[in-house]
Amino acid sequence: AQKVTQAQTEISVVEKEDVTLDCVYETRDTTYYLFWYKQPPSGELVFLIRRNSFDEQNEISGRYSWNFQKSTSSFNFTITASQVVDSAVYFCALSEARTGGFKTIFGAGTRLFVKA
Amino acid sequence: GAVVSQHPSWVICKSGTSVKIECRSLDFQATTMFWYRQFPKQSLMLMATSNEGSKATYEQGVEKDKFLINHASLTLSTLTVTSAHPEDSSFYICSAPQARNSPLHFGNGTRLTVT
Repeated sequence: AQKVTQAQTEISVVEKEDVTLDCVYETRDTTYYLFWYKQPPSGELVFLIRRNSFDEQNEISGRYSWNFQKSTSSFNFTITASQVVDSAVYFCALSEARTGGFKTIFGAGTRLFVKA
Repeated sequence: GAVVSQHPSWVICKSGTSVKIECRSLDFQATTMFWYRQFPKQSLMLMATSNEGSKATYEQGVEKDKFLINHASLTLSTLTVTSAHPEDSSFYICSAPQARNSPLHFGNGTRLTVT
């Protein structure tokens, strides 16, 4: 069965600190997709990144970077030089090819507080 | 970019009444849409997969007769909470992918309060 675990419930940092959000997943599929979404206090969900299981290359987008390691089934997300506007709940998610690649399961989320 | 519109954004209703929530894909056709439920400070729980032209697929533990889903066109799915009770109060979010394995586009959610 597919499962996404975000062990960190809440993280609090001071502005300009780097912070890493952990994500561990479980799947029996060899083809799957991993995502990160951001949910600010306003409630809407914002897509951040998608990574497929055959692409282990790490990605950097501005202050955001992602570390995908199949050996440990992890897809961690790092925010460099955090800002107050980064305060939100971040969800890691997984979809499996055998479900048609549509069905997406979310982790419990990590609430990030960035203090000025 | 692709947009999913959800309406209403909030609704307050009395126990025993039914509430309909609409989810529309505005600039793409969505053969599949997903309905999620989110309790305060919790994750998104997948309730059901809405399939255009066929019956919805419900997740284990979700009452089909209570949460009626209709996907009558390629751009519209509706979720009707029937005979609502206070425990149905929650944040309901719809989503749709533009293609297989593509990221989900989310509606802005509907906050339902049942009094």
